[in-house]
Amino acid sequence: DGGITQSPKYLFRKEGQNVTLSCEQNLNHDAMYWYRQDPGQGLRLIYYSQIVNDFQKGDIAEGYSVSREKKESFPLTVTSAQKNPTAFYLCASSIVDSLAQETQYFGPGTRLLVL
Amino acid sequence: ILNVEQSPQSLHVQEGDSTNFTCSFPSSNFYALHWYRWETAKSPEALFVMTLNGDEKKKGRISATLNTKEGYSYLYIKGSQPEDSATYLCASSNTDKLIFGTGTRLQVFP
Repeated sequence: DGGITQSPKYLFRKEGQNVTLSCEQNLNHDAMYWYRQDPGQGLRLIYYSQIVNDFQKGDIAEGYSVSREKKESFPLTVTSAQKNPTAFYLCASSIVDSLAQETQYFGPGTRLLVL
Repeated sequence: ILNVEQSPQSLHVQEGDSTNFTCSFPSSNFYALHWYRWETAKSPEALFVMTLNGDEKKKGRISATLNTKEGYSYLYIKGSQPEDSATYLCASSNTDKLIFGTGTRLQVFP
């Protein structure tokens, strides 16, 4: 089955600990994205990568880090510097079609709870 | 408009009713408008991507229109069914990233 997987579905961590969220895709998409969702807000972009070994900060990158060593994988690390890490995190990948229109495909998300 | 705004925030309709909701977006530097359906416990699913002023797209009972000059898009659902219950997200893009609205949560009662 082709798709995007995120693991785990739920994650609990103590305050002050770094935690890494996994995102894997087998769709052969070049671009990958990390979003955060908080109650009452739209999805906000944390980081994105349009090609292997390259990534850019999104709108709320502070306290997060990413790597893109392989096309299929785009892990997100929530560091202790992130002041409000408890949230729902969505990963996406995208492809541009023959009409130059991009569609993003989303994973099922990881809910992170920091105690 | 500086952000992407969706209205209403939530909507409750009876099975068989038709419904529509709105997405407003900045008309400057516009590239494309995306609609997604997000069912509970599932991943957001792409419905439509529209780029040209006046675009209309249809998928079954769901259709969408786009006005890039005034910066709005409508999503219509004809004859709502309980399985249409979901949050409908719209997102406006420039060339490299999407800006999402907060969504319209639709509940269809049998």
